[in-house]
Amino acid sequence: NAGVTQTPKFRILKIGQSMTLQCTQDMNHNYMYWYRQDPGMGLKLIYYSVGAGITDKGEVPNGYNVSRSTTEDFPLRLELAAPSQTSVYFCASNDRVENEKLFFGSGTQLSVL
Amino acid sequence: AQKVTQAQTEISVVEKEDVTLDCVYETRDTTYYLFWYKQPPSGELVFLIRRNSFDEQNEISGRYSWNFQKSTSSFNFTITASQVVDSAVYFCALLLNNAGNMLTFGGGTRLMVKP
Repeated sequence: NAGVTQTPKFRILKIGQSMTLQCTQDMNHNYMYWYRQDPGMGLKLIYYSVGAGITDKGEVPNGYNVSRSTTEDFPLRLELAAPSQTSVYFCASNDRVENEKLFFGSGTQLSVL
Repeated sequence: AQKVTQAQTEISVVEKEDVTLDCVYETRDTTYYLFWYKQPPSGELVFLIRRNSFDEQNEISGRYSWNFQKSTSSFNFTITASQVVDSAVYFCALLLNNAGNMLTFGGGTRLMVKP
């Protein structure tokens, strides 16, 4: 049972570099999310999508971009990495907004040096 | 604006002790959902429970129980007879009915259960 799969698990970037965090789910969920978790803090929503072709900003979208060309995939792009983007990133999905089961990926630990 | 506060940043107990993790939330909405998630050392978040604002019944699931009190805006989580495998970070979260998809998370409580 794959669920929500994130790659890579770890990455170190230099300031100004770009990268894409991949997220794919095999549960045919309409809703997908990207969160970041800073040390000792709760998760904050970066972007979310309610279906293919539809995305919207969350609480902390600056410095990130997303796309949703298919139901399964929801990549998160960092164009010009900054030290403030050092964090653990989680992708999640569910089939309804209020659904009890929000499925999370295992996370991507990103360091920007 | 909504807010979730988990005042206990870290709790340490000895195996078999009972432990309660506090969660206090703030919202002016009357319809909302409250969640608890567990984040074990492996990192992924695991759903534990969801309650909606109209259901104040306490819930028990094995060694886990939840006490929802609207009068004090609290949704506390108790683990009875704790085990080493309960060691994790626990997050409380709030979803407003009209907030789109924005779950508001508390800062988390790190629980360490020692043998």
